[in-house]
Amino acid sequence: AQTVTQSQPEMSVQEAETVTLSCTYDTSESDYYLFWYKQPPSRQMILVIRQEAYKQQNATENRFSVNFQKAAKSFSLKISDSQLGDAAMYFCAYRTTGNQFYFGTGTSLTVIP
Amino acid sequence: GAGVSQSPSNKVTEKGKDVELRCDPISGHTALYWYRQSLGQGLEFLIYFQGNSAPDKSGLPSDRFSAERTGGSVSTLTIQRTQQEDSAVYLCASIQRGGYSTDTQYFGPGTRLTVL
Repeated sequence: AQTVTQSQPEMSVQEAETVTLSCTYDTSESDYYLFWYKQPPSRQMILVIRQEAYKQQNATENRFSVNFQKAAKSFSLKISDSQLGDAAMYFCAYRTTGNQFYFGTGTSLTVIP
Repeated sequence: GAGVSQSPSNKVTEKGKDVELRCDPISGHTALYWYRQSLGQGLEFLIYFQGNSAPDKSGLPSDRFSAERTGGSVSTLTIQRTQQEDSAVYLCASIQRGGYSTDTQYFGPGTRLTVL
């Protein structure tokens, strides 16, 4: 079974600084998708960024980028120029070839003004 | 519709009662997921519907849980004889095409279930 581990329950970052959220996963599949989702207090889950495992190039979406290390089964999220609106729970997720999603337990990000 | 909607937004029930939670996916989306999010936990996969295929029920925690999707659109998650450990936020998500694609999963706001 696939597992997703987020080892940082809480993180904080100064506004305008950069923060990296960690995620590791365990799988025997060779092809899969990885995602980072943001969940603000409103509970609305929002996709931040996704990565196809067969792509070596790290995905980037504006201030958000990932460091995907397939051999190490690591998928960290880097947030640059942090803004107050970035404060939320961040979940790492893995999608299997059978279309099931597995989520980590989340990292609560605080942005300090 | 503009997004995935869920109702009710909050539900308080007594132990032993049955509850029904509703999800209205985005029109035209063929795939629909149900998740459970317990306090301080990540999302736990419950069930997955893809078009007219038989649903993947492998995540349902017990036979008290069931779900159906009528007409390939609205879905209802039913919990029979609720227990206190069923208290959680239940999230629904839909995907336009489903299958193994890069389509984005759109989430509803969830239903917070409290079992007294």
